[in-house]
Amino acid sequence: SQKIEQNSEALNIQEGKTATLTCNYTNYSPAYLQWYRQDPGRGPVFLLLIRENEKEKRKERLKVTFDTTLKQSLFHITASQPADSATYLCALVRGGFKTIFGAGTRLFVKA
Amino acid sequence: DTAVSQTPKYLVTQMGNDKSIKCEQNLGHDTMYWYKQDSKKFLKIMFSYNNKELIINETVPNRFSPKSPDKAHLNLHINSLELGDSAVYFCASSQEGRGAGVDTQYFGPGTRLTVL
Repeated sequence: SQKIEQNSEALNIQEGKTATLTCNYTNYSPAYLQWYRQDPGRGPVFLLLIRENEKEKRKERLKVTFDTTLKQSLFHITASQPADSATYLCALVRGGFKTIFGAGTRLFVKA
Repeated sequence: DTAVSQTPKYLVTQMGNDKSIKCEQNLGHDTMYWYKQDSKKFLKIMFSYNNKELIINETVPNRFSPKSPDKAHLNLHINSLELGDSAVYFCASSQEGRGAGVDTQYFGPGTRLTVL
């Protein structure tokens, strides 16, 4: 069955450092991959999308890579800030309407 | 100017009751979704409607029945509530979900359902 794995343990980093979150998947060939941010008590908010034929995408301090051979995506936040503390969800889409979400990785950025 | 809204935000009810959650989007999107997020934080799709037509119906007990009166609204009715139904339910919408469309989803704030 299709499976998405994100680090279940929280990631703690110091302000100003780069946070790197991992998303691995099996038994799936997504057309594209998305990253969402979820704050406590709120719905997920879309951050970035990367297609299967793209290696890297950037948006301000965010960078996403997508390796379809390794079946892995890395999500980087450079110059991290305490306001970046949240849960980050990886989501895979093949096409059509069904999106499969990972359980998310909780990020804590300490001042 | 709320994009996707849900009511109520909190719902506490007894086992066996019937309840509804309402969702509305003002983004002009064609597709709407219901997700369930359990205590382990997995966000699982339950249903999806495109232009009022049901297109995804995951393995969900038939006690759950979605209804889309128009493409801006997707309500979720739950009959005979059980303890295991306790979770946060999110509504979402997207502009294009079919084929090669970019399926960026906009989520509502969630409804926390607690069944006692």
